[in-house]
Formats: sequence, structure tokens, C-alpha cells
Amino acid sequence: DAKTTQPPSMDCAEGRAANLPCNHSTISGNEYVYWYRQIHSQGPQYIIHGLKNNETNEMASLIITEDRKSSTLILPHATLRDTAVYYCIVRRGGGNKLTFGTGTQLKVEL
Amino acid sequence: DAGVIQSPRHEVTEMGQEVTLRCKPISGHNSLFWYRQTMMRGLELLIYFNNNVPIDDSGMPEDRFSAKMPNASFSTLKIQPSEPRDSAVYFCASSFGDPGKLFFGSGTQLSVL
Repeated sequence: DAKTTQPPSMDCAEGRAANLPCNHSTISGNEYVYWYRQIHSQGPQYIIHGLKNNETNEMASLIITEDRKSSTLILPHATLRDTAVYYCIVRRGGGNKLTFGTGTQLKVEL
Repeated sequence: DAGVIQSPRHEVTEMGQEVTLRCKPISGHNSLFWYRQTMMRGLELLIYFNNNVPIDDSGMPEDRFSAKMPNASFSTLKIQPSEPRDSAVYFCASSFGDPGKLFFGSGTQLSVL
């Protein structure tokens, strides 16, 4: 599975959009991009995933560049409860493993 | 739905003792995963099952670790004998259909003294 690179930490003001970047320049055509988050002392939580089209659900939006080498997770109106480690993961289509990296620690502040 | 249920939430034991962690996946899910999380190594996949059959146990650290899934609603991860370096949070997760969309339990915090 392709390797991902994320900034180790980011800050965001409450109520503002949080834009979390992820680089996956070696991604292959059949690899999906998944995003999870882990709030302190809890298990990871699935957020969203995509292949090449942008995706949106009740939690977030996922923007994937046309060349698929990077993506951005957008939390449109961040709240204090969105403070967590966010993981960007690339998974091969048909593969059964999710390999978590170190993620981005997002801190949402007043 | 109650989600993935793990027990116990916390386990403190002494080196050399046997430890058994338990997991009940979400009803209807056909894949189950065991992960371990430490500060040093992050989240590591230990083993996963598909339809109760172990598919990949390459992440199991050594022979002291074993996992079973006797039926679709129950799995165990056993460590015998336990060592201090096994101290970690152990997560169980299950999925159905999309193996990338996992539902995690709350984890078991294991401390081996």
C-alpha cells in the first residue's frame, strides 16, 4: 500500500474550517484513500473514503486532487470535540489491511 | 447497535501470567481485526479473520500471542506468558463488505508489571 505523509500537528479555531492535508504521491490506480480519527482514549473512528472523486458525508468532505497524489480532509465547522489525531490511509482495492501511520494531531481551540 | 464490545476495559497483571482479551464484533460483520497501540509503535495490526478464519497473522509479535475466533460473535487474544513490553492498548475492530471501513471497540488497556 502507498505511503502517506501528514503534518504532525495543526491548530484550528472553533467554528472555522479545518483543512487536513495528506500526501500520497505513490498511490496506485486501484488504491483508496481512507480517513479515520482517534479521540483521546477511544478507538479510531471511520470518517470518509474515496477513490478519485470528491466525497462528502455528515462528518466531513474529502477532496482528492486530479492526479490523486494528495488529498484534503475538510471539517467545515470545527468544534472542540473534533480535537483528535486524524489518520490518512491508503488501501489497495481488494486488500484487507489498514496500516495506520502517525497521523495529524488536530487541536481545536476557542 | 451496541458496537464492538471489548472486555475487560483495563487489565493489570504480573509478568508471566496468562492474559485473555475478549471481543464481540458487530452482529453481521464478517471480518475481525486485532490491533495494538503503543506510544512507540503506534497502531499495529496483529491479526485479522474473515468468516472466522485467520487470514493474516504476520503482525503477531511472537508465539506467546495467539488469537481465536470460535464463532462469528466472539474472538479472543491470548498472551501467555505476558511480559512488561506487552503493555499497550489492544483494539478489536470489525467490518462488513468494505474491509477499509472498520468499527473499533473501546480497547483494553493492558499493564504487565
